[in-house]
Amino acid sequence: EAGVAQSPRYKIIEKRQSVAFWCNPISGHATLYWYQQILGQGPKLLIQFQNNGVVDDSQLPKDRFSAERLKGVDSTLKIQPAKLEDSAVYLCASSLDSRRANYGYTFGSGTRLTVV
Amino acid sequence: AQSVAQPEDQVNVAEGNPLTVKCTYSVSGNPYLFWYVQYPNRGLQFLLKYITGDNLVKGSYGFEAEFNKSQTSFHLKKPSALVSDSALYFCAVIAGSGGYQKVTFGTGTKLQVIP
Repeated sequence: EAGVAQSPRYKIIEKRQSVAFWCNPISGHATLYWYQQILGQGPKLLIQFQNNGVVDDSQLPKDRFSAERLKGVDSTLKIQPAKLEDSAVYLCASSLDSRRANYGYTFGSGTRLTVV
Repeated sequence: AQSVAQPEDQVNVAEGNPLTVKCTYSVSGNPYLFWYVQYPNRGLQFLLKYITGDNLVKGSYGFEAEFNKSQTSFHLKKPSALVSDSALYFCAVIAGSGGYQKVTFGTGTKLQVIP
């Protein structure tokens, strides 16, 4: 099966600019996650979707970050305006159904964002 | 609140020697435990998981992990390390009673296998 697709792979922007990342999960996976991984740290969950609804966005900085999954398939994560501390790898993951933990997760290769 | 601790930032081991990467967790309820590996500029790859049953779990690339409920640990092991095992390893716990399960990752352990 095809994996989780993310684009772009790399992005460099200036602070205060906006940026968007795209994720296409594995076909049929109901749950989609966006993680932020700062260098030297473990992934931090930003937002979790079940189909097109938000299940958990408690750690999403909503003043500057937004995400949508309008049709319950692919998703975009936006940052506007970006800050220097947003420099990180943004990982997308999907699973069949987050109500069943034993399914685990499949991760995309990530988008490396550098804010200068 | 659930948490995962990986007490070692880096583990160095000689090629051919056994390796252990430590992980302890704290959850209320039954934990589901995972190990992932991350190579440079790559996403996280699944290694193995413990859901229930046998405490010794075998996974990809010859790795295994032992679930110890009394010590709340899930250490990753391999009998003979390869240079190609050098990477960043993350332990994760998924827990939650009913509804949507929540996942928490550890901070990661860098494994360096020395030729």
